[in-house]
Amino acid sequence: GQQVMQIPQYQHVQEGEDFTTYCNSSTTLSNIQWYKQRPGGHPVFLIQLVKSGEVKKQKRLTFQFGEAKKNSSLHITATQTTDVGTYFCAGPGASGGSNYKLTFGKGTLLTVNP
Amino acid sequence: NAGVTQTPKFQVLKTGQSMTLQCAQDMNHNSMYWYRQDPGMGLRLIYYSASEGTTDKGEVPNGYNVSRLNKREFSLRLESAAPSQTSVYFCASTLAGVYNEQFFGPGTRLTVL
Repeated sequence: GQQVMQIPQYQHVQEGEDFTTYCNSSTTLSNIQWYKQRPGGHPVFLIQLVKSGEVKKQKRLTFQFGEAKKNSSLHITATQTTDVGTYFCAGPGASGGSNYKLTFGKGTLLTVNP
Repeated sequence: NAGVTQTPKFQVLKTGQSMTLQCAQDMNHNSMYWYRQDPGMGLRLIYYSASEGTTDKGEVPNGYNVSRLNKREFSLRLESAAPSQTSVYFCASTLAGVYNEQFFGPGTRLTVL
């Protein structure tokens, strides 16, 4: 079945350093979504990418969708303590309900040392 | 608007006991989902309901049943709880399909002894 793999699993940075998490799919994705989950909280939607090569920015966060639509990345510039949490990517599931199911990566846990 | 609500927030069960996790959304969404989250495993889909009146299995459906009671409510039932079902359970909803963001509830932390 379709898999969405994320690396790294963990990342610890000093406040002010940059951070990047990568998401790779075994199949071409029609779209990809990113979510953030604060410790003890629930996942919250950040953004969706649909077009090949698409780049979107939200303040210090930059999201990219690969040209082949099989990979994506989230880059945070100058991390802050408020960026702490787990970042998940998610893409449409394998055939059979693929219009309704998302497959989530295992996430990257970001910790920031102030 | 409350968004997605889940009850209970915490639950401890003994092996073999049954329970139902409740989920409701007030956003007039068509699709609803149940996920479980275990350390290092991300979010795994248990069951989903693409629209009122339909339910389908996800990645890890064994040991669970669901009911889409109406457009607002989607419940998850554990008939005979097992320690392997110790997890955090999240309900989510979306307007429809994978091109819309999913809204998650606050989660239910379940421990099975």
